[in-house]
Parts: sequence; C-alpha cells; structure tokens
Amino acid sequence: AQSVTQLDSQVPVFEEAPVELRCNYSSSVSVYLFWYVQYPNQGLQLLLKYLSGSTLVKGINGFEAEFNKSQTSFHLRKPSVHISDTAEYFCAVTGRNRDDKIIFGKGTRLHILP
Amino acid sequence: DTEVTQTPKHLVMGMTNKKSLKCEQHMGHRAMYWYKQKAKKPPELMFVYSYEKLSINESVPSRFSPECPNSSLLNLHLHALQPEDSALYLCASSQGRRPLRNSYNEQFFGPGTRLTVL
Repeated sequence: AQSVTQLDSQVPVFEEAPVELRCNYSSSVSVYLFWYVQYPNQGLQLLLKYLSGSTLVKGINGFEAEFNKSQTSFHLRKPSVHISDTAEYFCAVTGRNRDDKIIFGKGTRLHILP
Repeated sequence: DTEVTQTPKHLVMGMTNKKSLKCEQHMGHRAMYWYKQKAKKPPELMFVYSYEKLSINESVPSRFSPECPNSSLLNLHLHALQPEDSALYLCASSQGRRPLRNSYNEQFFGPGTRLTVL
C-alpha cells in the first residue's frame, strides 16, 4: 500500500518569490507520482507526473518537481509565483498495476501575498 | 475534445428527494470514476467503471447508486441523502486500457457538482 504526506497545509508566499511545496511518499513497490492543482470552485488538473527516467519533471504553468528515491520525496517548485497560482495543490501516488488507485495527500493551500 | 463535463454545477436537495448527477466525456475513454471531496480535503474514490461495468465500489452507502448507460456517460443517482453527504462530487475518466510499461492512464477530472443536502 502507498501513502502520501504533504508536510504543509498552507504556504503563504509573496508574489514573484520562489516556492516549494513538500511531498513525501511511502511505498513498498515502485510508484508513479503526481501533482494536481485545484483552483477555487474547479476540478483537479494534472500539473506534472513522474513515471520513470529523468528525476526532474517539468509541468505546466512553470512548475517542476524532483523525484528523490532515497528521500522518498517529490517536492514541487516554482521560481516565481503569480497571484493566479493561488490554489490547492495535491501530491498523489499510485502503484504501477492497472487497477491501482490514486492516493492523494491532504493538500497544500498556496496563498500568494501581494 | 479533452473535456469532462458535469451537470448540474450546483444542486440543493432535501433528505427525501431523488436526484441524479451526470458526467459526460467524448475522449473515447473506457474508465470512469466518481469521487467525493469534502471541503479542505482530498478527493475520495467512490466508484470505478471499466468498459461500462462497475469494477470498484469503495463501500459506498446504497443511497448512492452509480450507472453507466454507455461509454460516454456516467450517472450518480441520489436518494435519501444525509446532510453529511454535502460535498463536491467529481467525475473523472481515463483510457482504461492496460497501460504500457512506464506509462500511465491519466485521469481527466470534470469541474464537479457541488451538492448541498438540507
């Protein structure tokens, strides 16, 4: 079984500052890792995913994440945030079998300060 | 068309009402999902349909009844709900075929139906 821990429930950051949202996972098997974003009153949108290969993954809207197997982490970063990045961010994991379910972390609310 | 649409956007119902939520996709996906999301919480999986057959029911109470009339449509019939069932209900779809090695069938989410049970 897999689990995901998002270490911060809220992250306030000034506009144009860099941000890192932390995610750690636990699994006894190889996994796929994801970051989803949920803007206010909307569904979930996939930001980026790690399946295999390069550990640095680039996503949409200038976000990137680094898979670190030894630290079982998949932290999300953006070098300069914008007010439009205000949203809830969910880290998620799934096993590599077809029927494995997505396990979501509890979410981190990114609050951009003007 | 890479959209999953859900109707209605908002629904208010009493505990004795019967209502239905609708989800539609035209991406040729063969797997469809219902999730329930309470405020400030992650989505929780409720049901999975694979090739129009129910493949996963996460021990959801029988007052929620899913239906998949065809490969593009997914319904969630609601009856005798409780106030604690108030939540955002999200639908998602994915290709549904066995993924190739090191690939993943991405789930595409709809915008959700915000349900309030009085």
